[in-house]
Amino acid sequence: EAAVTQSPRNKVTVTGGNVTLSCRQTNSHNYMYWYRQDTGHGLRLIHYSYGAGNLQIGDVPDGYKATRTTQEDFFLLLELASPSQTSLYFCASRGTGNSGNTLYFGEGSRLIVV
Amino acid sequence: QQKVQQSPESLIVPEGGMASLNCTSSDRNVDYFWWYRQHSGKSPKMLMSIFSNGEKEEGRFTVHLNKASLHTSLHIRDSQPSDSALYLCAARTSGGNYKPTFGKGTSLVVHP
Repeated sequence: EAAVTQSPRNKVTVTGGNVTLSCRQTNSHNYMYWYRQDTGHGLRLIHYSYGAGNLQIGDVPDGYKATRTTQEDFFLLLELASPSQTSLYFCASRGTGNSGNTLYFGEGSRLIVV
Repeated sequence: QQKVQQSPESLIVPEGGMASLNCTSSDRNVDYFWWYRQHSGKSPKMLMSIFSNGEKEEGRFTVHLNKASLHTSLHIRDSQPSDSALYLCAARTSGGNYKPTFGKGTSLVVHP
């Protein structure tokens, strides 16, 4: 099965702090996604990417930046963290062709902003 | 942007019973639906997908799709306690948009 690894798994930061969430996939997938999951809202797309150097804006991008440095690595940056960004963050990847319609999720990164 | 509505929000069924979950897209260009299952404390994992009108069965799980009504449903027969989870519906629209939109999910509890 496709492997997606996120770090850190848990993070506590203060309001105004700087946070970077990392995601690495070793499946040679082109597409990578960052979602946040909150009770009552389901999974909401923050940013996504088609490949190294590419960045697409998702549905809830405010307060977030992202960067895709290589095909494997996708980072989510919170430069001035706010309590409203307390959430469970999931990274996912998908390929193309016959295997390209399934999202493979990492184990999640829980962020608390106090 | 597309919205994906799921119902019911929560569902309780007895072990051995039938669970039926619904999902509707707001976008007439929807061309692909997925059902993901997320056990408590875990990440979502794809359960089934469908893009053609009709029905698709895999073991105890059956998915229906009616493209005209932009609606899909997931049916779990002979439900087991291990089926207790959050079920997330995702949909994609045609035209090269590769960003699946998720619904809020249906929380299923199967009690012994």
